[in-house]
Amino acid sequence: SYELTQPPSVSVSPGQTASISCSGDKLGHKYASWYQLKPGQSPILVIYQDNRRPSGIPERFSGSTSGNTATLTISGTQAIDEADYFCQAWDSSTAPDWVFGGGTKLTVL
Amino acid sequence: EVRLAQSGAQVKKPGESLKISCEGSGYSFTSHCIAWVRQIPGKGLQWMGIVYPGDSNPRYSPSFQGHVTISADRSISTAYLQWLSLEASDTAIYYCATSNDTSGYYYPSYFDYWGQGTLVTVSS
Repeated sequence: SYELTQPPSVSVSPGQTASISCSGDKLGHKYASWYQLKPGQSPILVIYQDNRRPSGIPERFSGSTSGNTATLTISGTQAIDEADYFCQAWDSSTAPDWVFGGGTKLTVL
Repeated sequence: EVRLAQSGAQVKKPGESLKISCEGSGYSFTSHCIAWVRQIPGKGLQWMGIVYPGDSNPRYSPSFQGHVTISADRSISTAYLQWLSLEASDTAIYYCATSNDTSGYYYPSYFDYWGQGTLVTVSS
């Protein structure tokens, strides 16, 4: 089965840039999305289709994909960005199937 | 405003049955899918299955096929996730989700609306 690999944790200082990676075989040929999950809350979509940002998501969130890796970048990270982030891959040729990464705990020190 | 309202937390014993719900409002319920996603606390997210209320033909992840049943009642804009015999390993938070993906594919590539989650605890 298809797998996505994320680092368990990433730390960043307030105001700095945080980058969270997500790797999977031929991920560049799939659509990658990213979700933010805070304790007691529902997942929030922060990036979809590799690099698109839903309305209401701050501009400091951006996404990119290259080769087998998708990256979520948070510029000027704020304390409120501390959360778990999950990547998700989708491929029209294998749908219906949505694969999630194991999640990355972002700590804003 | 799109809203998915899920039923409340449940505590069950192994072997018991359970049906949790997800009521959609603020959009055309029959035109958009409802997916179910499991989150085991401290672990990741897993897609379980999906149904289009318009045709009520659920599709399942192989990991959950045969263990859960997904259905939808268009008349009351509600989707369901059901177990006939719960196991302790079913203890998790279950989310329903839908999508406004207009890319043209039958299945969405992402989910932008989520329910508040239903905590299911299975313990003897």
